[in-house]
Amino acid sequence: AQKITQTQPGMFVQEKEAVTLDCTYDTSDPSYGLFWYKQPSSGEMIFLIYQGSYDQQNATEGRYSLNFQKARKSANLVISASQLGDSAMYFCAMGDSGAGSYQLTFGKGTKLSVIP
Amino acid sequence: GAGVSQSPSNKVTEKGKDVELRCDPISGHTALYWYRQSLGQGLEFLIYFQGNSAPDKSGLPSDRFSAERTGGSVSTLTIQRTQQEDSAVYLCASSLRGLEAGTDTQYFGPGTRLTVL
Repeated sequence: AQKITQTQPGMFVQEKEAVTLDCTYDTSDPSYGLFWYKQPSSGEMIFLIYQGSYDQQNATEGRYSLNFQKARKSANLVISASQLGDSAMYFCAMGDSGAGSYQLTFGKGTKLSVIP
Repeated sequence: GAGVSQSPSNKVTEKGKDVELRCDPISGHTALYWYRQSLGQGLEFLIYFQGNSAPDKSGLPSDRFSAERTGGSVSTLTIQRTQQEDSAVYLCASSLRGLEAGTDTQYFGPGTRLTVL
């Protein structure tokens, strides 16, 4: 069974600073994908970034990067130059790449607050 | 292009009533998913549709829950005889292929917040 652990219920960061949100995962499948989503107070789950288990490079999307350490089973999200609009819940999720594997498993989330 | 849309955005109902929640996926996406997000349980998978294949209903919490997808596009999640524990945000997502969650990004709608009094 898959498991996602996000150990930080809440985080604070000063505007314009970088912040790392932690995510560890557990799976027995050799092929999988890791996703990060942002959920503002409006409720919509917004896709941010994806990392495949066989990708050699860490994924980057603008100010978001994923620090993927496969041996440690961690997939931390790094947000550079934080903005007030980054204040939201952030969820780490995982999906298998095997046939018939289509549901995502989510962590409990981290609430990020950006301080002006 | 347009993202996933859901309606209504909020629904307040009385215990025992039936409710219908609607999801319109991204055009061209063959797979559609329903998840439930509640305070105590986090995000839970409910049901999955892929093309014309039989849906995977393994995540539905009880037989009061059902869902259908007409014409491979719009989906309706129906909750019969609602209970207070059904209060949650119901999120719909769609993806291009839906065959492998590890490679096929799921895009979510804004959700429907259901409150059962």
